Amino acid sequence: AQSVTQLDSQVPVFEEAPVELRCNYSSSVSVYLFWYVQYPNQGLQLLLKYLSGSTLVKGINGFEAEFNKSQTSFHLRKPSVHISDTAEYFCAVSSTNAGKSTFGDGTTLTVKP
Amino acid sequence: DGGITQSPKYLFRKEGQNVTLSCEQNLNHDAMYWYRQDPGQGLRLIYYSQIVNDFQKGDIAEGYSVSREKKESFPLTVTSAQKNPTAFYLCASSKSHRGDQPQHFGDGTRLSIL
Repeated sequence: AQSVTQLDSQVPVFEEAPVELRCNYSSSVSVYLFWYVQYPNQGLQLLLKYLSGSTLVKGINGFEAEFNKSQTSFHLRKPSVHISDTAEYFCAVSSTNAGKSTFGDGTTLTVKP
Repeated sequence: DGGITQSPKYLFRKEGQNVTLSCEQNLNHDAMYWYRQDPGQGLRLIYYSQIVNDFQKGDIAEGYSVSREKKESFPLTVTSAQKNPTAFYLCASSKSHRGDQPQHFGDGTRLSIL
């Protein structure tokens, strides 16, 4: 079984400030990890994914995430946020021996001017 | 452009009525998924299909049914047995059902009870 915990349900931040959205996972086997973004009344879009190799993964819109196997974490970061980054962010995990993804409950990022 | 089309965007259901949500993809993906999203919660898997003419129950399949007669189409029926159907429904697809394949999502259907 696998699970995902997003540690913050809401993260308010001022424009041009850095942000970190935290994600911890649990799995008995090796995993693949994903971050998705959802704008209001839309579906999810892939931001980035970790499959293997380098633990620092760069995605779209200036986001990056670091896979930490010892701490079972996959935190999402951006050095300087924009108003347009206001959205809900989901962390997801799937295992290397099954295709089903498990999603976290989401973190609402609100960027204030 | 390739993508996933869900229709309608908004749907209203009367008590005791079955309704069907449409999902079509032109990405040539083998795997398709239906999720339910409630406020403040993540996505919960209803059904998934790895290939045409095959589908499996997800975590919350009770009160729902699906079919996969064509590769491009994966409709979801919300039956009258689903007692709390008000939610945002998302359809997704991936190249295959392998765990390393990211999912592509439609823009959702919001279902409400009259």
